Parts: sequence; structure tokens; C-alpha cells
Amino acid sequence: NAGVMQNPRHLVRRRGQEARLRCSPMKGHSHVYWYRQLPEEGLKFMVYLQKENIIDESGMPKERFSAEFPKEGPSILRIQQVVRGDSAAYFCASSPGYDTDTQYFGPGTRLTVL
Amino acid sequence: GQNIDQPTEMTATEGAIVQINCTYQTSGFNGLFWYQQHAGEAPTFLSYNVLDGLEEKGRFSSFLSRSKGYSYLLLKELQMKDSASYLCASHSGAGSYQLTFGKGTKLSVIP
Repeated sequence: NAGVMQNPRHLVRRRGQEARLRCSPMKGHSHVYWYRQLPEEGLKFMVYLQKENIIDESGMPKERFSAEFPKEGPSILRIQQVVRGDSAAYFCASSPGYDTDTQYFGPGTRLTVL
Repeated sequence: GQNIDQPTEMTATEGAIVQINCTYQTSGFNGLFWYQQHAGEAPTFLSYNVLDGLEEKGRFSSFLSRSKGYSYLLLKELQMKDSASYLCASHSGAGSYQLTFGKGTKLSVIP
């Protein structure tokens, strides 16, 4: 049973470009969460999605960031017009349900903005 | 709001026992998770406590006191491969499915 998959594992972008991060949840999981980890910082919640719905985006910056989880295909975290401060590790997690279900994490995408 | 505190770094000897503490202040509480994260890798689930008391799972045990807002992770018979960061995370319950993480405790196991 494959775990949570994320790609790319490493992404380099120049300032002003767009970054697209993909996440495929574990088989049977319909809930996806995105977290960001800055150097020397803890993981910070960004957004929680179910298929075709954004449930909680309270941790998402109001501008340049968006997320989706379409009926078919992976969840995508999109960052427009990237800035150096966006450089971080972005982790996706999935769970089968909600509430207290354990969240299982993918290997992360390390975004570097030059 | 949510606040999680845990020590930044700890060092312990191979074969020994180490306890990593975590205190939390949350506006709502529905459980406490521990994850292990090796450098450059994904956090891996270790344990979940929602009721007071000790949960034992092999060499790892986790304890929770809800009244004190306190948890600890106990690692026995330390091995070199246990060198990693250990992340404490609270779950604030129904309607809010996000986890709030501490900054993590970097554990170094020495021979």
C-alpha cells in the first residue's frame, strides 16, 4: 500500500515564477492537509481539503497561495509570483476521515526560490 | 490560540532511556500526537493520546495529563537510529482538523 506521494521532491524557482506542488493521498484517504516547515521552525498548518472542497484554509496566506483537490487527480498547492520567503519544505498529509484520525505525511517538496 | 513547548535539543547515550516533555495551551483539545522526523524526511506517526495515562508501544511510550496540559514521549533502549527530531502536536477537535506542532526536539544518541 503506497504511502502519501508528493512531487516534485525538490523544486527551484526564480522570484516571480509559479510553483505547483502535487500530493496524492494514501489509498482510501479522502482528506488532505498541507503544512509548511520553515528552517528551524515547526510545521505550520496551511489548508485542509476534501475532494472538490476546501474545508479550512485559515493557515493559508491570503495572496498568491491557492489549493485544490479535484475529483480526479492529486491535490495541488499553487504559489504564484514566488518570493524568497516562500522557500521552505511543504508537506502533505492524508487521513481516511477527520477529527482524530491520524494524519500520515508525505516526503515533502523542498522549494527553493532564487 | 494554540501554543506547544518542547525542549530544542537533547542528548542521550545508546542503550539508555530518554524522556521528551511537551506542554501545550490550546483553546480546545482533542488529542496529542507524537511524530518522529529524520533530517530531510517526512514526519512518521509514533503515538496518539486522548485520555490521561500511559500508552506503551514497544520501545516507545507516551503519557498525557489533560489537567496539566502535559505530555511526554519515553524512548527506551536507545539506538543510534533514534537520532531524529521528535514533534509534539495537538489536535484541537471537531470542526478544526489541523494539527498544531511544536518546533520539535532534536535528539542526538551518542555511543
